[in-house]
Amino acid sequence: RKEVEQDPGPFNVPEGATVAFNCTYSNSASQSFFWYRQDCRKEPKLLMSVYSSGNEDGRFTAQLNRASQYISLLIRDSKLSDSATYLCVVLEGRSQGNLIFGKGTKLSVKP
Amino acid sequence: GAGVSQSPSNKVTEKGKDVELRCDPISGHTALYWYRQRLGQGLEFLIYFQGNSAPDKSGLPSDRFSAERTGESVSTLTIQRTQQEDSAVYLCASSSRDRGGLYNSPLHFGNGTRLTVT
Repeated sequence: RKEVEQDPGPFNVPEGATVAFNCTYSNSASQSFFWYRQDCRKEPKLLMSVYSSGNEDGRFTAQLNRASQYISLLIRDSKLSDSATYLCVVLEGRSQGNLIFGKGTKLSVKP
Repeated sequence: GAGVSQSPSNKVTEKGKDVELRCDPISGHTALYWYRQRLGQGLEFLIYFQGNSAPDKSGLPSDRFSAERTGESVSTLTIQRTQQEDSAVYLCASSSRDRGGLYNSPLHFGNGTRLTVT
């Protein structure tokens, strides 16, 4: 299996800060990309899909750079409730079985 | 509820015993995954079922691990002769596939089974 790499962090930021995470993937044939969020001792939940043109959902912006094989997640005006681990997920090829999870980046937002 | 259901939520077992973990996927979801997550670590893929196709077992760490799924329903993950290194949270997830066969449905995870081998 190919690798998906993330900076493990932790990223410790104050409330209201803007924070960005990157994720690199090694398989240039990768098809789809996602960001999941995992709270402590909870299951992962989909945060957003990442589209080639980039996409935004409220305070969250995801970008894909196929040439450099990385995706990014930008969180603006961070809230205490954003504290979690953010998982980068890459789908290789059309088979859903080839979902590769990064180990996650831990974010801690402080008051 | 309409979510993925896993049981038991917690399991403590003695080294050498067999355990069976259960996953009820969301109704209609053709794809089912098992992952393992050790404390403070990332998700480790174990096995993937897609409809009636042969499962992708490439992530199973040893022959002590096996999983079954009948059609598009319940799946069981069995660990034989458990070892202390098997202690982890075992997560099940399911998803659906569109008619084009492209992945367009996010994974829905269950709450996991926390396995402790003493």
